[in-house]
Amino acid sequence: QSALTQPPSASGSPGQSVTISCTGSSNDVGGYNYVSWYQQHPDKAPKVVIYQVSKRPSGVPDRFSGSKSGNTASLTVSGLQADDEAVYYCYSYAGVNNQGVFGTGTKVTVL
Amino acid sequence: EVQLAQSGAEVKKPGQSLKISCKDSTYTFTHYWVAWVRQMPGKGLEYMGMINPGDSDSDTRYSPSFQGHVTISADKSINTAYLQWSSLKASDTAIYYCARFRSDTDVFDMWGQGTMVSVSS
Repeated sequence: QSALTQPPSASGSPGQSVTISCTGSSNDVGGYNYVSWYQQHPDKAPKVVIYQVSKRPSGVPDRFSGSKSGNTASLTVSGLQADDEAVYYCYSYAGVNNQGVFGTGTKVTVL
Repeated sequence: EVQLAQSGAEVKKPGQSLKISCKDSTYTFTHYWVAWVRQMPGKGLEYMGMINPGDSDSDTRYSPSFQGHVTISADKSINTAYLQWSSLKASDTAIYYCARFRSDTDVFDMWGQGTMVSVSS
């Protein structure tokens, strides 16, 4: 099972928005509405920011939103803040045999 | 408060065995799956597999990439999950995270702090 494809980097100024893509196939992203997104700050454990494509866990600001179209899921961070600077990973269910797969990760820089 | 507390860093030689742990203090150990995720130095997250401690047979699943290379187990009596190797390789050098996995929503909603495993001769 190959990793889902994400752009290596994305950036934006404070207050702006940034959108990260996560491309898979009909066997994972396109086949199920089980895409989640994780934020990882340097030397820290990941933290979920979006699950089931577009749902936000309690405590996650509504500046974080998710969507999906076909085999590509997206995470948008609006109103960028300094603390949003981190690496973001997508994850998708990939069926009973393969179970699940992470994306390659996108480093978001707040300029 | 650390809700998934992982064992400390390990330094091992190739060929040695190792078992690292993840203790759940949330009193929900048998309600959810516990997964393991690898992060090699400077690299991304990789799903390794998971175990359902609440299942009578402790249903365990492995990613095809890790099947046969590691063993995942759990001890319900002490709310602890394990990841073990019988013969380490230098390429096993990585941070290993345990995470609580909710199968109803397919999300890793709680993570341990990570265990650094270094394998070098």
